[in-house]
Amino acid sequence: ETGVTQSPTHLIKTRGQQVTLRCSSQSGHNTVSWYQQALGQGPQFIFQYYREEENGRGNFPPRFSGLQFPNYSSELNVNALELDDSALYLCASSLMTKLYTDTQYFGPGTRLTVL
Amino acid sequence: KQEVTQIPAALSVPEGENLVLNCSFTDSAIYNLQWFRQDPGKGLTSLLLIQSSQREQTSGRLNASLDKSSGRSTLYIAASQPGDSATYLCAVMGYSSASKIIFGSGTRLSIRP
Repeated sequence: ETGVTQSPTHLIKTRGQQVTLRCSSQSGHNTVSWYQQALGQGPQFIFQYYREEENGRGNFPPRFSGLQFPNYSSELNVNALELDDSALYLCASSLMTKLYTDTQYFGPGTRLTVL
Repeated sequence: KQEVTQIPAALSVPEGENLVLNCSFTDSAIYNLQWFRQDPGKGLTSLLLIQSSQREQTSGRLNASLDKSSGRSTLYIAASQPGDSATYLCAVMGYSSASKIIFGSGTRLSIRP
């Protein structure tokens, strides 16, 4: 059983650019959640994908968007990057059914720096 | 709206001491509560998860308690070691359709040799 993986590990972009972060969920999981963690803060919920559809969103603007693929891997896209987007981006996968929500397992994160 | 608070923000203790980290949350309708460890620049490591029906969980030198009625949880670390130095995050999951986790800002723990 493989764990949650994320790529790339580190990324440097400039203001106004676009970025795509990737997450491979743990085997058997059907749900991926994305979180943003600014320096010195706890992670903040961005959105969640369940069976390829967005299933909840935090207080983030529309320039933060995502996708989930049939194999349940996921992408986070951020357009028109701003300096404040510099953060550690974490994804977490879990198994969700109508009756049960399993705990979320976190990946190692992608460190994004916007200059 | 659920809010999670961790006090203190930072703590420094000598090696060998027992210590308690505190977490409080405003909405007692939680699905579970989880304690994580985060080393500088790294991802999250889950330490203990307490379901809403449980009162505590133990793993090695760690013990976490949950009191939903008062909106509090504590993480007890026995016989602290320098390797325990890290940031400890408390997080709760509610009953919304999206099983999002609400995190506290963490307690940065430093164990002095």
